[in-house]
Formats: sequence, C-alpha cells, structure tokens
Amino acid sequence: AQSVTQLDSQVPVFEEAPVELRCNYSSSVSVYLFWYVQYPNQGLQLLLKYLSGSTLVKGINGFEAEFNKSQTSFHLRKPSVHISDTAEYFCAVRPFRGSGAGSYQLTFGKGTKLSVIP
Amino acid sequence: GAGVSQSPRYKVAKRGQDVALRCDPISGHVSLFWYQQALGQGPEFLTYFQNEAQLDKSGLPSDRFFAERPEGSVSTLKIQRTQQEDSAVYLCASSATLYYEQYFGPGTRLTVT
Repeated sequence: AQSVTQLDSQVPVFEEAPVELRCNYSSSVSVYLFWYVQYPNQGLQLLLKYLSGSTLVKGINGFEAEFNKSQTSFHLRKPSVHISDTAEYFCAVRPFRGSGAGSYQLTFGKGTKLSVIP
Repeated sequence: GAGVSQSPRYKVAKRGQDVALRCDPISGHVSLFWYQQALGQGPEFLTYFQNEAQLDKSGLPSDRFFAERPEGSVSTLKIQRTQQEDSAVYLCASSATLYYEQYFGPGTRLTVT
C-alpha cells in the first residue's frame, strides 16, 4: 500500500518570491512520483513526473521537483511565483510496472493550496 | 475529442435518487480510472478498467456504487440511493495503457441534498 503526506495545507507567498511545497510518501513497493495542479472547477493537470534517472525533474510553468529516496520526499519548487500560480497542488505516487503491486491507480496527498499575494 | 470529457459537469440529486455519471476517454486509450474527490481532500481511487474489463474495484465505497465500460470506450459510474456522504467531485482519467500517464477530465460535481 502507498500513502502520501503533504505537510502544508495552505501556503501563502508573495509574488516573485520562491516557494517550496513539501511531499513525503510511504510505499512497500517502488513507485513513480507526480505533481498535479488543479485550478478552480477544473480537472487535474500534470506538472511533472519522476520515473527514473536524474533526481531533479523539470516540469511546466517553471516548476521543478527533486526526488530524495533516502528521505522518501519529492518536494516541488519554483524560484519566482506568479499570480497565475494560485491553485491547489497534489503530490501522487503510482507503483512501478512489474512491482507486483497488482494495481496501478494513483494515490494522492490531501493537497496544498498555494496563494500568491500581489 | 482532444481530452477526457465528463457529463454532466454538475448534478444535484435528492437523497435516495439514483445518478449516472458519464466519462468519454481520449480516443484509443485502453485504461480508464474513476476517482472521488471530497471537499478539501485529494482524489481517492474508486475503480479502473482495461478495455471493458474492470480489473480493480476495491475503492468503491459501497455496493451502491457500480461502474461499467461495456464497449471499452465510454464509461458510466452509477450511484444508487444516493446519500449525503456521496457529495463529491467524481474525476475520470484515461491512459494509453495502465502504465502510462493519466489524463484527467474536468470532473462531475455531485451534490446530494
């Protein structure tokens, strides 16, 4: 089984300031890691994903995340936020193909609401 | 269409009514997933299909919930005798295969009064 913990439910930050949204996970099998963004009344949009290789992953809209296996973390960062980044962000995991998990759904955290202050 | 579509976008049901929520996946996507997102929570897995086969329904909260995908394309999530605790956004996602990226639809917001 997998679980995801997003340590901050709300993060206010001033425009053009840097931001970090934290995510930790727990899993009995190897997993892929994802960050999704959800704007009001919309579905989820994939920001970035870690499948393998370099632990620093770059995504859309200037976001990046770093996978840390020893700390089981996958924190999301952006060096300078914009008003348009105001949204809810979800961290998620999914078992590796062939991990024996038997099921391939995403397991999500509870989300972090990012509010960018002008 | 270019993306996953869901209908209706909003549904209000009186307690005890049956509802049916529709999902049109991206053309050619063989895998289809349903998630439930309660207010202030992250999405939670309900069930998924590989073509018309329902491979996992372990997330369905009760036997009032039923999903089908008879021709391996469009899927319907049915909730019988709705209860207030069923109020949530129901998200559908499709992927080329089980192991590929999931693309989400806009969701159906169900409110049970």
